[in-house]
Amino acid sequence: SYVLTQPPSVSVAPGKTARITCGGDNIGSNSVHWYQQKPGQAPVLVLYSDTARPSGIPERFSGSNSGNTATLTISRVGAGDEADYYCQVWDRITVVFGGGTKLTVL
Amino acid sequence: QVQLVESGGGLVKPGGSLRLSCAASGFTFSDYYMSWIRQAPGKGLECISYISSSGSTIYDADSVKGRFTISRDNAKKSLYLQMNSLRAEDTAVYYCARVSRPVWFAYWGQGTLVTVSS
Repeated sequence: SYVLTQPPSVSVAPGKTARITCGGDNIGSNSVHWYQQKPGQAPVLVLYSDTARPSGIPERFSGSNSGNTATLTISRVGAGDEADYYCQVWDRITVVFGGGTKLTVL
Repeated sequence: QVQLVESGGGLVKPGGSLRLSCAASGFTFSDYYMSWIRQAPGKGLECISYISSSGSTIYDADSVKGRFTISRDNAKKSLYLQMNSLRAEDTAVYYCARVSRPVWFAYWGQGTLVTVSS
């Protein structure tokens, strides 16, 4: 089965840029979607189809996907961005989530 | 606006059964695939089942195959998850989510907690 690998944690200073990676075999040939989840809340879609932002998601959230790595980039990070982030792909008939990355704002 | 409201969670003994419901509003329910996604305490997300708009296509993850059954009632705009032979490892928050094709989840319910314990 297809596996998505995320770093368990990423730390960033306020105002800086955070990059969260999602690794998978030839993931660049898949569409990758990203979710943000704050404690006690349901996940929220922040990017779909690699780079598209749903309505209401700030332009600070952007994405890329090539080769074996997809990346979620959050610019001008603030305390409100501290959360768990999950990548997700559709692999034939199964939905695959990455293990999640905890973003800490220092 | 799109709303998904789960209900039916609770405490159940190992081997027991539970039926979760998800009431949908704010969109044409019968046009969309729907899914159940769960999250064990402190763990990541797992899509355990999805169902096509008509109910004719169903996918179940290996972890629940033969024990859980997803279904829907388009007239009632409701999604269901019948959970049988529950195990401790089924303890999780269960989310109902609307499927966008080709598969991402733009809308989620607030989740309902299922605890399997003696």
